[in-house]
Amino acid sequence: ILNVEQSPQSLHVQEGDSTNFTCSFPSSNFYALHWYRWETAKSPEALFVMTLNGDEKKKGRISATLNTKEGYSYLYIKGSQPEDSATYLCAFFRIGHYSGAGSYQLTFGKGTKLSVIP
Amino acid sequence: GAVVSQHPSRVICKSGTSVKIECRSLDFQATTMFWYRQFPKQSLMLMATSNEGSKATYEQGVEKDKFLINHASLTLSTLTVTSAHPEDSSFYICSARGLAVYNEQFFGPGTRLTVL
Repeated sequence: ILNVEQSPQSLHVQEGDSTNFTCSFPSSNFYALHWYRWETAKSPEALFVMTLNGDEKKKGRISATLNTKEGYSYLYIKGSQPEDSATYLCAFFRIGHYSGAGSYQLTFGKGTKLSVIP
Repeated sequence: GAVVSQHPSRVICKSGTSVKIECRSLDFQATTMFWYRQFPKQSLMLMATSNEGSKATYEQGVEKDKFLINHASLTLSTLTVTSAHPEDSSFYICSARGLAVYNEQFFGPGTRLTVL
């Protein structure tokens, strides 16, 4: 069983605060880790695809780091704004149990629900 | 990013009826489409993967005769929940990916199915 764990499950922060949350995943057979941002009633939006140990990616006030040896990734949000309120999902990219392009799949964590209070 | 639409967004049906959900990639060719299901407070769980023109591959524990998937073109996949029962009530969401398997997947907004 492939476990992708995210913590915390939810958090509330004040506008302007910086915050971070964690995604842990199996450290063996690593291919890639995806981060998604999912606002209520919208489609999940891809934030980052991370592939190399030590990778650090940034998109505006959001950044992510990757440690494949110990199996974790951090997502940071600097100066949180109300529009950052969403559920943040990480997904471990794996090869499934059958052949073909469709065998390359994502296994998702349960997400971290962020609420930014104005 | 690319856009994936999904219809309907919400459906309520009676037990025993069938429901069809459509997933379309609007501005790219989706070589592979994925169907997920999410129960409350749980993660997105992959149900099946389909490649255009091929039969879908189902994950363990997902009944292929109950959840019929068709991926007839590079822009359209459909999921039909046949003879729906209350335990099929869930949130169903599709995603699409182009040829490069390591690239991001693009998601539809999902369908909330309620079976009475």
